[in-house]
Amino acid sequence: DIQMTQSPSSLSASVGDRVTITCRTGQSISRFLNWYQQKPGKAPKLLIYAASSLQSGVPSRFSGSGSGTEFALTISSLQPEDIATYYCQQNYSALWTFGQGTKVEVK
Amino acid sequence: QVQLVQSGSELRKPGASVEVSCKASGYSFNNFALNWVRQAPGQGLEWMGWINTKTGNPTYAQGFTGRFVFSLDTSVSTAYLQISSLKPEDSAVYFCARGFSEGSGGNCNADYWGQGTLVTVSS
Repeated sequence: DIQMTQSPSSLSASVGDRVTITCRTGQSISRFLNWYQQKPGKAPKLLIYAASSLQSGVPSRFSGSGSGTEFALTISSLQPEDIATYYCQQNYSALWTFGQGTKVEVK
Repeated sequence: QVQLVQSGSELRKPGASVEVSCKASGYSFNNFALNWVRQAPGQGLEWMGWINTKTGNPTYAQGFTGRFVFSLDTSVSTAYLQISSLKPEDSAVYFCARGFSEGSGGNCNADYWGQGTLVTVSS
């Protein structure tokens, strides 16, 4: 399995802050990387696919970058509704794997 | 609109079996894969595998072979997850998610999700 390491595991930021979450993989996966947002008690929601493409309907304050083994999800201006856990997921391998998640809280 | 509607919560005793259903609507069922994802209480997402809705061929992730079975009833656009010989550690929310592919060799993702089904295994 391709190992995924997200950091940090949790963060606390103020409304309006720029927030960046990173995801590192155990081997190069080109740009086969997706990001999901999960709010408490809800199903995950696809935010970013193919490392940097914004899923339809997702606010433009979310962006993705990276390729190879290092990726980032950035929220340009944190909003109260962005409180959630964020997961990266690789699909380079036919056997998908998720990162362990990053919990984002508002100060 | 695309919807995946899962069956309701289940409570089972250890050693029993359970079946979770996932009914799709709003799209052509056979044109998209169907993934299953587990989330234990307070834990992260764990991809269990997927089923090819054209052929019915399942692929299981490591740790989900043997007691876990993916199946389909294409006549009602429904996918099923069966878990046998249940253990307390199988207690989790199970999600189905549509697999979207950009084409051969392209990026794949889970673009629509069911609401989740809580399975509790307790004596």
